[in-house]
Amino acid sequence: KNEVEQSPQNLTAQEGEFITINCSYSVGISALHWLQQHPGGGIVSLFMLSSGKKKHGRLIATINIQEKHSSLHITASHPRDSAVYICAVLTNSGYALNFGKGTSLLVTP
Amino acid sequence: GAVVSQHPSRVICKSGTSVKIECRSLDFQATTMFWYRQFPKQSLMLMATSNEGSKATYEQGVEKDKFLINHASLTLSTLTVTSAHPEDSSFYICSAHRDWLIGMDQPQHFGDGTRLSIL
Repeated sequence: KNEVEQSPQNLTAQEGEFITINCSYSVGISALHWLQQHPGGGIVSLFMLSSGKKKHGRLIATINIQEKHSSLHITASHPRDSAVYICAVLTNSGYALNFGKGTSLLVTP
Repeated sequence: GAVVSQHPSRVICKSGTSVKIECRSLDFQATTMFWYRQFPKQSLMLMATSNEGSKATYEQGVEKDKFLINHASLTLSTLTVTSAHPEDSSFYICSAHRDWLIGMDQPQHFGDGTRLSIL
């Protein structure tokens, strides 16, 4: 079983909708990352969290350490938000990221 | 702008060819870089950790003689896929830490990846 589970696997939304992507992990972590992977493959780091909540533009990321759960929210979604969103954790005992399988998001006009 | 440069972005070559992929940190020194592989619809999987001035640390199941890693300077790591075969076709991506303290709460910066296709 993967240490990092994401849901949903695929998501289609209409432009303007509020979107939530969830991430659960089963190990102790020092940080959790939300990454965005575009169709060409390049990866951009959106957030790095160890507690609480962060906001950047229309993106909000939250983490609940006790529940081992994080969410990524996109407000007022736009077609350019279409990408794969990946949750990755840095474990307490590790030095490299463990990745979820990603959530493929398609936002239609 | 990009802080980690990966080259080439795409390679198509014949079976048996060796392919070298470069990963450069552009404006910071990276004692440690990571090499990942991603198959279609799958997670990124760590292949190896590249350590400047010392041997790379390979994950279980990754053949060190097949995937040669050289980290000769603080800004450059290379991955060479030796005698590549069709099953090596994949998306390879590197990342680097800004801070030398591994595991510290520092973001990783990713290259744009290399799509390798072996015919």
